[in-house]
Amino acid sequence: DVKVTQSSRYLVKRTGEKVFLECVQDMDHENMFWYRQDPGLGLRLIYFSYDVKMKEKGDIPEGYSVSREKKERFSLILESASTNQTSMYLCASSLLADSSYNEQFFGPGTRLTVL
Amino acid sequence: TQLLEQSPQFLSIQEGENLTVYCNSSSVFSSLQWYRQEPGEGPVLLVTVVTGGEVKKLKRLTFQFGDARKDSSLHITAAQPGDTGLYLCAGVWGINDYKLSFGAGTTVTVRA
Repeated sequence: DVKVTQSSRYLVKRTGEKVFLECVQDMDHENMFWYRQDPGLGLRLIYFSYDVKMKEKGDIPEGYSVSREKKERFSLILESASTNQTSMYLCASSLLADSSYNEQFFGPGTRLTVL
Repeated sequence: TQLLEQSPQFLSIQEGENLTVYCNSSSVFSSLQWYRQEPGEGPVLLVTVVTGGEVKKLKRLTFQFGDARKDSSLHITAAQPGDTGLYLCAGVWGINDYKLSFGAGTTVTVRA
């Protein structure tokens, strides 16, 4: 079974702190994604990566950056956390470039609260 | 960003009743996926539909893709408390696109 793990289930940080969210997948998937999930808004794509050291902005990249130094690991960085970044953060991975049947496998999420 | 609308936002029904969730867009999908998310977990894929008019069944769940590939529905027959969860549709717009655009989701509660 594909497993996607996220470093923390719950995180509380203060405004202005630098925050790192880590994601690891164990199935040698090419693509990895970071989403945030807010009530009534669904999942919104922050950044994704289709290869090591490659990244592309999603729909809401402002205030975030990412790092993918190894294939299995994709990190989301909040350079200076703000209260409007309080949210559930979900990491996902997928295998194929052609996504017609391309399932995304999700981690359990990190609920981040910025005070 | 392509807009993908789900309705209703919330649905609460009694065990044994049927329900339908809708997913609509003004644009054509190359494919569409349905996920279910349970509290404290990430979404899990239920089905992918690719061909216009396609109908797929997964036990008591029936998924339909519109002929024009702009809309989809999920129908649950004789709902059970285990069907409770957040149902999300996610569209793929381009043939070689590996990004998904998600709807806002429908929260389904099945009361015993």
